[in-house]
Amino acid sequence: DAGVIQSPRHEVTEMGQEVTLRCKPISGHNSLFWYRQTMMRGLELLIYFNNNVPIDDSGMPEDRFSAKMPNASFSTLKIQPSEPRDSAVYFCASSSSGGEHTQYFGPGTRLTVL
Amino acid sequence: AQSVTQPDIHITVSEGASLELRCNYSYGATPYLFWYVQSPGQGLQLLLKYFSGDTLVQGIKGFEAEFKRSQSSFNLRKPSVHWSDAAEYFCAVGPNAGGTSYGKLTFGQGTILTVHP
Repeated sequence: DAGVIQSPRHEVTEMGQEVTLRCKPISGHNSLFWYRQTMMRGLELLIYFNNNVPIDDSGMPEDRFSAKMPNASFSTLKIQPSEPRDSAVYFCASSSSGGEHTQYFGPGTRLTVL
Repeated sequence: AQSVTQPDIHITVSEGASLELRCNYSYGATPYLFWYVQSPGQGLQLLLKYFSGDTLVQGIKGFEAEFKRSQSSFNLRKPSVHWSDAAEYFCAVGPNAGGTSYGKLTFGQGTILTVHP
């Protein structure tokens, strides 16, 4: 199994630009989670989906953040416009109800907004 | 609401010494419990998990954890630490089979482990 795949691994952009992070969950998993990790705030859950439907987006910091899951094998997290305080590592994780909800994490995308 | 507390932000041990990382949780029923490890620049990797049955669970890399219901704890242990174990460790709690939160996990703040040669 390829595991959770995230792209890009590193992204450097300028303030005001649109940023799109991508995630491919493990095949057969029906829940997908987006997290943000910073030194100051630790690991934060931003949003999660079940069967492609957003369940809880209360962790999304602002309207500048949006996430979609158009099908079971792809999700995006978009920031528009980006700001320097969005600099962080963004992780995607997936799980299956058949696997007692064990979450498997991708390698993360390190985002730097200048 | 469920919560997870890792009382130790940073622990330093000598290589070859034993290790115990503490984790306490608050949850209305018997939860699923997890330990993850994160090496610098890496994602979170599952070390072990407890769902039911034997309260002492074995994981990868020689780690084990013991679920103690009376103490609401799930402490991680290793008898002899290696330099490569230096990393950040996260305890997490999730819903049991009767939960409806679609697998959402609550994570502790993490414990950073430093290993001295």
